[in-house]
Amino acid sequence: SQQGEEDPQALSIQEGENATMNCSYKTSINNLQWYRQNSGRGLVHLILIRSNEREKHSGRLRVTLDTSKKSSSLLITASRAADTASYFCATDSGGSNYKLTFGKGTLLTVNP
Amino acid sequence: GAGVSQSPSNKVTEKGKDVELRCDPISGHTALYWYRQSLGQGLEFLIYFQGNSAPDKSGLPSDRFSAERTGGSVSTLTIQRTQQEDSAVYLCASSPWTGKDIQYFGAGTRLSVL
Repeated sequence: SQQGEEDPQALSIQEGENATMNCSYKTSINNLQWYRQNSGRGLVHLILIRSNEREKHSGRLRVTLDTSKKSSSLLITASRAADTASYFCATDSGGSNYKLTFGKGTLLTVNP
Repeated sequence: GAGVSQSPSNKVTEKGKDVELRCDPISGHTALYWYRQSLGQGLEFLIYFQGNSAPDKSGLPSDRFSAERTGGSVSTLTIQRTQQEDSAVYLCASSPWTGKDIQYFGAGTRLSVL
Protein backbone atom coordinates (compact mmCIF):
# COMPACT_ATOMS: atom_id res chain seq x y z
CA SER A 1 0.00 0.00 0.00
CA GLN A 2 1.06 3.59 -0.49
CA GLN A 3 3.31 5.02 2.21
CA GLY A 4 2.57 8.60 1.24
CA GLU A 5 -0.70 9.81 -0.18
CA GLU A 6 -1.35 13.36 -1.31
CA ASP A 7 -4.56 15.25 -0.95
CA PRO A 8 -6.25 16.69 -2.94
CA GLN A 9 -5.61 14.82 -6.16
CA ALA A 10 -6.11 18.03 -8.11
CA LEU A 11 -6.21 21.69 -7.18
CA SER A 12 -7.04 24.68 -9.37
CA ILE A 13 -6.42 28.22 -8.16
CA GLN A 14 -5.90 31.75 -9.47
CA GLU A 15 -2.52 33.40 -9.70
CA GLY A 16 -1.64 35.14 -6.46
CA GLU A 17 -3.60 32.74 -4.28
CA ASN A 18 -2.00 30.29 -1.89
CA ALA A 19 -2.01 26.56 -2.56
CA THR A 20 -1.97 23.94 0.17
CA MET A 21 -1.33 20.26 -0.46
CA ASN A 22 -1.35 17.53 2.16
CA CYS A 23 0.45 14.24 2.52
CA SER A 24 -0.36 11.39 4.88
CA TYR A 25 1.82 8.39 5.55
CA LYS A 26 1.58 5.18 7.51
CA THR A 27 4.86 4.23 9.17
CA SER A 28 7.53 6.09 11.10
CA ILE A 29 9.98 8.04 8.98
CA ASN A 30 13.43 9.59 9.08
CA ASN A 31 12.49 12.38 6.73
CA LEU A 32 9.85 13.50 4.27
CA GLN A 33 10.55 15.17 0.97
CA TRP A 34 8.48 17.11 -1.52
CA TYR A 35 9.17 16.96 -5.25
CA ARG A 36 7.72 18.74 -8.24
CA GLN A 37 7.15 17.28 -11.71
CA ASN A 38 6.41 19.19 -14.88
CA SER A 39 4.77 17.53 -17.87
CA GLY A 40 5.24 13.95 -16.65
CA ARG A 41 9.02 14.06 -16.89
CA GLY A 42 11.78 14.26 -14.29
CA LEU A 43 11.13 15.21 -10.71
CA VAL A 44 12.82 18.14 -9.02
CA HIS A 45 13.50 18.16 -5.32
CA LEU A 46 11.85 21.04 -3.46
CA ILE A 47 12.41 20.56 0.24
CA LEU A 48 13.35 17.93 2.83
CA ILE A 49 12.07 17.99 6.38
CA ARG A 50 13.48 15.67 9.03
CA SER A 51 11.37 13.84 11.56
CA ASN A 52 12.56 16.08 14.40
CA GLU A 53 11.57 19.25 12.53
CA ARG A 54 8.09 20.74 12.56
CA GLU A 55 8.31 23.47 9.95
CA LYS A 56 10.65 24.49 7.17
CA HIS A 57 10.70 27.35 4.71
CA SER A 58 12.28 27.79 1.30
CA GLY A 59 11.35 30.92 -0.63
CA ARG A 60 7.59 30.79 -1.24
CA LEU A 61 7.37 27.25 0.09
CA ARG A 62 6.45 26.28 3.62
CA VAL A 63 6.39 22.68 4.75
CA THR A 64 5.02 21.41 8.03
CA LEU A 65 5.37 17.97 9.54
CA ASP A 66 3.22 16.45 12.28
CA THR A 67 4.66 13.06 13.17
CA SER A 68 1.90 12.39 15.69
CA LYS A 69 -0.66 12.60 12.88
CA LYS A 70 1.72 11.18 10.29
CA SER A 71 1.00 14.06 7.98
CA SER A 72 2.73 16.90 6.17
CA SER A 73 1.56 19.92 4.26
CA LEU A 74 3.15 21.96 1.49
CA LEU A 75 2.07 25.59 1.20
CA ILE A 76 2.94 27.62 -1.87
CA THR A 77 2.31 31.30 -1.27
CA ALA A 78 1.52 33.92 -3.93
CA SER A 79 1.26 31.26 -6.62
CA ARG A 80 2.30 31.88 -10.21
CA ALA A 81 1.26 30.23 -13.45
CA ALA A 82 4.74 28.69 -13.57
CA ASP A 83 3.93 26.75 -10.39
CA THR A 84 1.56 24.59 -12.42
CA ALA A 85 2.87 21.05 -11.96
CA SER A 86 2.34 17.82 -10.05
CA TYR A 87 3.65 17.74 -6.50
CA PHE A 88 4.69 14.53 -4.78
CA CYS A 89 5.62 13.72 -1.23
CA ALA A 90 8.18 10.98 -0.63
CA THR A 91 8.93 9.17 2.56
CA ASP A 92 11.36 6.57 3.72
CA SER A 93 10.25 3.90 6.17
CA GLY A 94 12.40 4.80 9.11
CA GLY A 95 15.46 3.03 10.42
CA SER A 96 18.14 2.32 7.86
CA ASN A 97 15.68 1.84 5.01
CA TYR A 98 17.06 3.51 1.92
CA LYS A 99 13.99 3.45 -0.27
CA LEU A 100 11.72 6.38 -0.88
CA THR A 101 8.03 5.76 -1.49
CA PHE A 102 6.20 8.34 -3.55
CA GLY A 103 2.52 9.17 -3.43
CA LYS A 104 0.35 9.63 -6.51
CA GLY A 105 0.74 13.38 -6.38
CA THR A 106 -1.39 16.50 -6.43
CA LEU A 107 -1.89 18.18 -9.79
CA LEU A 108 -1.79 21.94 -9.21
CA THR A 109 -3.09 24.27 -11.89
CA VAL A 110 -2.51 27.98 -11.42
CA ASN A 111 -4.65 30.04 -13.74
CA PRO A 112 -3.28 33.40 -14.92
CA GLY B 1 28.40 19.42 -13.33
CA ALA B 2 25.81 17.82 -15.57
CA GLY B 3 22.64 16.32 -14.17
CA VAL B 4 21.30 12.80 -14.60
CA SER B 5 21.09 11.95 -18.28
CA GLN B 6 18.71 9.38 -19.74
CA SER B 7 18.47 8.07 -23.27
CA PRO B 8 16.54 7.76 -25.41
CA SER B 9 14.00 10.38 -24.35
CA ASN B 10 11.29 8.54 -26.28
CA LYS B 11 11.13 4.95 -27.47
CA VAL B 12 8.43 3.36 -29.56
CA THR B 13 8.64 -0.38 -30.00
CA GLU B 14 6.56 -3.29 -31.10
CA LYS B 15 5.17 -5.84 -28.68
CA GLY B 16 7.63 -8.68 -28.19
CA LYS B 17 10.76 -6.65 -28.94
CA ASP B 18 13.53 -6.04 -26.40
CA VAL B 19 14.45 -2.50 -25.33
CA GLU B 20 17.39 -0.98 -23.48
CA LEU B 21 17.14 2.24 -21.53
CA ARG B 22 20.25 4.05 -20.39
CA CYS B 23 20.97 6.21 -17.36
CA ASP B 24 24.10 8.26 -16.77
CA PRO B 25 24.06 9.45 -13.14
CA ILE B 26 25.70 12.52 -11.68
CA SER B 27 29.43 11.94 -11.39
CA GLY B 28 30.39 10.68 -7.94
CA HIS B 29 26.90 9.62 -6.92
CA THR B 30 27.02 6.11 -5.51
CA ALA B 31 23.29 5.42 -5.32
CA LEU B 32 21.21 4.88 -8.46
CA TYR B 33 17.49 4.15 -8.73
CA TRP B 34 15.11 3.15 -11.49
CA TYR B 35 11.39 3.97 -11.22
CA ARG B 36 8.42 3.45 -13.46
CA GLN B 37 5.57 5.94 -13.73
CA SER B 38 2.37 5.02 -15.49
CA LEU B 39 0.06 7.78 -16.73
CA GLY B 40 -1.30 9.85 -13.86
CA GLN B 41 0.30 7.64 -11.23
CA GLY B 42 3.04 7.93 -8.68
CA LEU B 43 6.49 6.44 -8.99
CA GLU B 44 6.89 2.68 -8.73
CA PHE B 45 10.29 1.59 -7.42
CA LEU B 46 12.05 -0.92 -9.68
CA ILE B 47 15.68 -1.39 -8.63
CA TYR B 48 18.39 0.21 -6.50
CA PHE B 49 22.18 0.15 -6.89
CA GLN B 50 24.52 1.24 -4.12
CA GLY B 51 28.22 1.23 -4.86
CA ASN B 52 29.55 -2.28 -5.31
CA SER B 53 26.83 -3.92 -3.22
CA ALA B 54 24.37 -6.39 -4.69
CA PRO B 55 21.43 -4.43 -6.13
CA ASP B 56 17.98 -4.46 -4.58
CA LYS B 57 15.82 -5.90 -7.36
CA SER B 58 12.72 -6.30 -5.25
CA GLY B 59 10.67 -3.88 -7.34
CA LEU B 60 11.18 -5.49 -10.73
CA PRO B 61 7.69 -6.57 -11.90
CA SER B 62 8.75 -9.69 -13.77
CA ASP B 63 11.78 -11.62 -14.97
CA ARG B 64 11.52 -9.79 -18.28
CA PHE B 65 13.04 -6.80 -16.50
CA SER B 66 16.72 -6.62 -15.64
CA ALA B 67 19.26 -3.90 -14.95
CA GLU B 68 22.97 -3.58 -14.57
CA ARG B 69 25.35 -0.87 -13.56
CA THR B 70 28.82 -0.97 -15.01
CA GLY B 71 31.81 0.45 -13.18
CA GLY B 72 29.57 2.00 -10.58
CA SER B 73 28.38 4.60 -13.07
CA VAL B 74 26.19 4.10 -16.15
CA SER B 75 23.15 1.86 -15.76
CA THR B 76 21.06 0.04 -18.35
CA LEU B 77 17.51 -1.16 -17.78
CA THR B 78 16.52 -3.94 -20.17
CA ILE B 79 12.98 -5.06 -20.85
CA GLN B 80 12.70 -8.27 -22.83
CA ARG B 81 9.68 -9.30 -24.88
CA THR B 82 7.92 -6.01 -24.22
CA GLN B 83 4.20 -5.98 -23.51
CA GLN B 84 1.72 -3.12 -23.90
CA GLU B 85 1.45 -2.80 -20.11
CA ASP B 86 5.15 -1.90 -20.06
CA SER B 87 4.28 1.44 -21.64
CA ALA B 88 5.23 4.12 -19.12
CA VAL B 89 7.84 6.72 -18.33
CA TYR B 90 10.98 5.17 -16.87
CA LEU B 91 12.82 7.49 -14.52
CA CYS B 92 16.34 7.20 -13.20
CA ALA B 93 17.62 9.02 -10.13
CA SER B 94 20.96 9.22 -8.39
CA SER B 95 21.96 10.26 -4.91
CA PRO B 96 25.31 11.07 -3.33
CA TRP B 97 25.11 8.31 -0.78
CA THR B 98 21.77 6.80 0.18
CA GLY B 99 18.28 7.19 -1.16
CA LYS B 100 17.14 8.66 2.15
CA ASP B 101 18.69 11.88 1.03
CA ILE B 102 17.79 14.02 -1.95
CA GLN B 103 17.43 12.16 -5.22
CA TYR B 104 18.29 13.82 -8.50
CA PHE B 105 16.16 12.73 -11.40
CA GLY B 106 16.73 12.46 -15.10
CA ALA B 107 14.10 13.60 -17.58
CA GLY B 108 12.98 10.02 -18.15
CA THR B 109 12.39 7.74 -21.11
CA ARG B 110 8.85 7.54 -22.40
CA LEU B 111 8.32 3.98 -23.63
CA SER B 112 5.41 3.16 -25.89
CA VAL B 113 4.77 -0.46 -26.77
CA LEU B 114 2.48 -0.87 -29.76
